[in-house]
Amino acid sequence: EPEVTQTPSHQVTQMGQEVILRCVPISNHLYFYWYRQILGQKVEFLVSFYNNEISEKSEIFDDQFSVERPDGSNFTLKIRSTKLEDSAMYFCASSREIAGEDEQFFGPGTRLTVL
Amino acid sequence: GNSVTQMEGPVTLSEEAFLTINCTYTATGYPSLFWYVQYPGEGLQLLLKATKADDKGSNKGFEATYRKETTSFHLEKGSVQVSDSAVYFCALNDYKLSFGAGTTVTVRA
Repeated sequence: EPEVTQTPSHQVTQMGQEVILRCVPISNHLYFYWYRQILGQKVEFLVSFYNNEISEKSEIFDDQFSVERPDGSNFTLKIRSTKLEDSAMYFCASSREIAGEDEQFFGPGTRLTVL
Repeated sequence: GNSVTQMEGPVTLSEEAFLTINCTYTATGYPSLFWYVQYPGEGLQLLLKATKADDKGSNKGFEATYRKETTSFHLEKGSVQVSDSAVYFCALNDYKLSFGAGTTVTVRA
């Protein structure tokens, strides 16, 4: 069964450093998403991406964040200068359609720890 | 904006007990509603969904009915197993998912 994969599973970085979180969505999906979950809090939407551009982004997704689909398979989230409050679990998801009833398939997550 | 309010946990049950997790939503229009489950060490998996009012989603013995009049989508299972121990998330989809806080369920043998 196809699945979304994410690497690394755990990333530890120093405050102010850049990190890139990687995701491989399901191959025939067209819509891609990043969510994050700070420990003990809700899963929060960050950004959606379609046709090589951002479709929608939340208030969390400020200038420190960027997304890219550098090739036909990977989808990345970059944080330019990490802050302590960026420590969270980051989930990538993909879906075939953008329609509201379509299922989003989630990866296992990357736990980011900023020291 | 759209939001989901979910029953706080944790919930601890004995095997074969009845489980219900309350979920209510606030939304403009009629978004699709979902329950996702997260087993230890894994990502979020879709458990069930309902796309319009009065729809009932069901999977693995779990059920939830989309109630427009009470803006609710409560999750129920008649007889839980140890393998149902997980975190359950209610969510609505308006082209992005808005999640509830999650409810941790532990089923004891």
